[in-house]
Amino acid sequence: AQTVTQSQPEMSVQEAETVTLSCTYDTSESDYYLFWYKQPPSRQMILVIRQEAYKQQNATENRFSVNFQKAAKSFSLKISDSQLGDAAMYFCAYRSASGGSYIPTFGRGTSLIVHP
Amino acid sequence: DAGVIQSPRHEVTEMGQEVTLRCKPISGHDYLFWYRQTMMRGLELLIYFNNNVPIDDSGMPEDRFSAKMPNASFSTLKIQPSEPRDSAVYFCASSYVGWETQYFGPGTRLLVL
Repeated sequence: AQTVTQSQPEMSVQEAETVTLSCTYDTSESDYYLFWYKQPPSRQMILVIRQEAYKQQNATENRFSVNFQKAAKSFSLKISDSQLGDAAMYFCAYRSASGGSYIPTFGRGTSLIVHP
Repeated sequence: DAGVIQSPRHEVTEMGQEVTLRCKPISGHDYLFWYRQTMMRGLELLIYFNNNVPIDDSGMPEDRFSAKMPNASFSTLKIQPSEPRDSAVYFCASSYVGWETQYFGPGTRLLVL
């Protein structure tokens, strides 16, 4: 079974600074997707960024980028120029791409605090 | 819009009893998700529906759990019989674009004694 580990229950960053949230996963599959979701206090869960395992290039969405290390099974999220609105719970998730279940496996989440 | 509505907000029951959790998704959303969150296991997606049809229920822990969506504005998650290890916060979420953005309800905090 796949597992997703977020080893940082809480992180804090100063506004305008950069922060990196870590995520590691365990799988025997070669084809899969990885996601970072943001859950602000409003209780939405918003897809921040998605990475296909077969793509070597790291995904980037504006101020959000990932460092995908497939051999190390690591998928960290870097938030540049942090803003107060980035404060939220961040979940890393894994989903198989080779058929079967579409249900993703989530990490326990990292609470990001942004200080003004 | 009132957002996703869940009831009850809190439920305390005894082991062996049937528990029914209810969810009203946001009008117009065609995806509905049921999640469970515990300290031990974190956030787990149990099942999701698209256009009232269950698409994947592989996250449902066992046969004691069942979910239905009889129409676009209502879904239930039933646990029968309940066990203490089912104690958790159960969230319902809905979306109109699948996995992209999901709107969570306030959750039902379930305690099985």
